[in-house]
Amino acid sequence: DIQMAQSPSSLSASVGDRVTITCRASQDITNYLAWYQQKPGKVPKLLIYAASILQSGVPSRFSGSGSGTDFTLTISSLQPEDVATYYCQKYNHAPWTFGQGTKVEIK
Amino acid sequence: DVELVESGGGLVQPGGSLRLSCAASGFTFSSYGMSWVRQAPGKGLEWVSAITGIGYTYYADSVKGRFTISRDNSNNTLYLQMNSLRADDTAVYYCARDRLRTIAVAGVFDPWGQGTLVTVSS
Repeated sequence: DIQMAQSPSSLSASVGDRVTITCRASQDITNYLAWYQQKPGKVPKLLIYAASILQSGVPSRFSGSGSGTDFTLTISSLQPEDVATYYCQKYNHAPWTFGQGTKVEIK
Repeated sequence: DVELVESGGGLVQPGGSLRLSCAASGFTFSSYGMSWVRQAPGKGLEWVSAITGIGYTYYADSVKGRFTISRDNSNNTLYLQMNSLRADDTAVYYCARDRLRTIAVAGVFDPWGQGTLVTVSS
C-alpha cells in the first residue's frame, strides 16, 4: 500500500507568515491528493482536491501544488483562525490513506 | 442542506460488537459513495471502510474480517457492524460522503458527520 508522509509534524508561525506543509507519497499518485483541515474539537473539512483545486468557500490564501509523489499546502498569510491540524490524503485507489497530520499554531 | 448524523457509539468490552449508523439527508443517498473514517484520541485520521452506491465494499487491513459496512438506500442510512472489537478500535468514528456524485467511491470526503465515540475497554 502507498504510504503518505507529512512534514513537519508541527509548526509555529506568526500571523501573516507564509506557511508551507509538505506531503510525500511512497508511489506516484499523479494528482489524486486532497488536503483537509481539522480545527481543535471540530470535524475535518475538505480544503483542496486534485492537488490544487480549492473547495468552494475555502479562502484564497490556501493553495496546493504538486504531482506524482511530492505535494505542498501553502497558507500565504497565516490567520488566527487557521490554527488547526492539516492532513493530506491520497485517493487514486483504495486504501484511501491519510498522512499523519501537521499541527499549525500561532507563535 | 446535506446532513450526516452518526449514532450507535458507546462503551463495549474487548471482543464485543457494536453497530454504528449514519443517517443521511439533503442529497440523493444512493448516488454517492460513502465511507467511515476514525480518529483515535489525540491521533490522526484513519480511513476504515467504504461502500459504493450499489454496495461494493472496501476495508482497511486493520478491520478486514471484523467490520462490515452496508447501506440501506431506501432509508438513507449507512451502517458499520463492528465485531471482535479491540482496545485499539477506540476512536471517534465519522461517516463521510464522497464529494462527487458517482456510483463508485471517488475517495474525496465532503461533508463529514459529527462523529460517534466508540470506547473498547473492560
